[in-house]
Amino acid sequence: GDSVTQMEGPVTLSEEAFLTINCTYTATGYPSLFWYVQYPGEGLQLLLKATKADDKGSNKGFEATYRKETTSFHLEKGSVQVSDSAVYFCALTSGYSTLTFGKGTMLLVSP
Amino acid sequence: KAGVTQTPRYLIKTRGQQVTLSCSPISGHRSVSWYQQTPGQGLQFLFEYFSETQRNKGNFPGRFSGRQFSNSRSEMNVSTLELGDSALYLCASKGQGALNSYEQYFGPGTRLTVT
Repeated sequence: GDSVTQMEGPVTLSEEAFLTINCTYTATGYPSLFWYVQYPGEGLQLLLKATKADDKGSNKGFEATYRKETTSFHLEKGSVQVSDSAVYFCALTSGYSTLTFGKGTMLLVSP
Repeated sequence: KAGVTQTPRYLIKTRGQQVTLSCSPISGHRSVSWYQQTPGQGLQFLFEYFSETQRNKGNFPGRFSGRQFSNSRSEMNVSTLELGDSALYLCASKGQGALNSYEQYFGPGTRLTVT
């Protein structure tokens, strides 16, 4: 079945540091890939998506590129802010509405 | 456009009781999915409803059930509650956008505590 593997956290960074959160996946067919973010006490917010190989999703300074050859979808941001502190989830769907999520990576950004 | 709403936001129940959670999707969205989030198991898919029919089901016992109404609002029910059912229950809605548009939009969740 489909699966998503994310780097374990927490990831602790200082403000303005570069962020990478690794995500790799296993799926049948050609999945669509997503990054969701969850702030404390809230639901999930869609951060960015990519629906085919070599697509780059981007939003709010975050980027991720769909790499079919390495089955990866790593999340990056050039300069993190304290307000980016949250839990980040990598997810995929293989054509149905079911989303398969990674276990989440907590990001803590200090001033 | 209003987002996905879930009620109640917090719930405390006793083992053996049953509970019903409600979800109102984004206006115009016909697909509603439910997920359970726990620290140990992460986010797990429960079921999906589309036009009042269950379209997909995850690997949960029969104590977990759901339904969808003609206005696309959905409810999920958990009977004979167990301590392990304590979790954040998230609802997500999806519209019928362009091909390959698989975005799901999540509500704030219902935090269920079973004592």
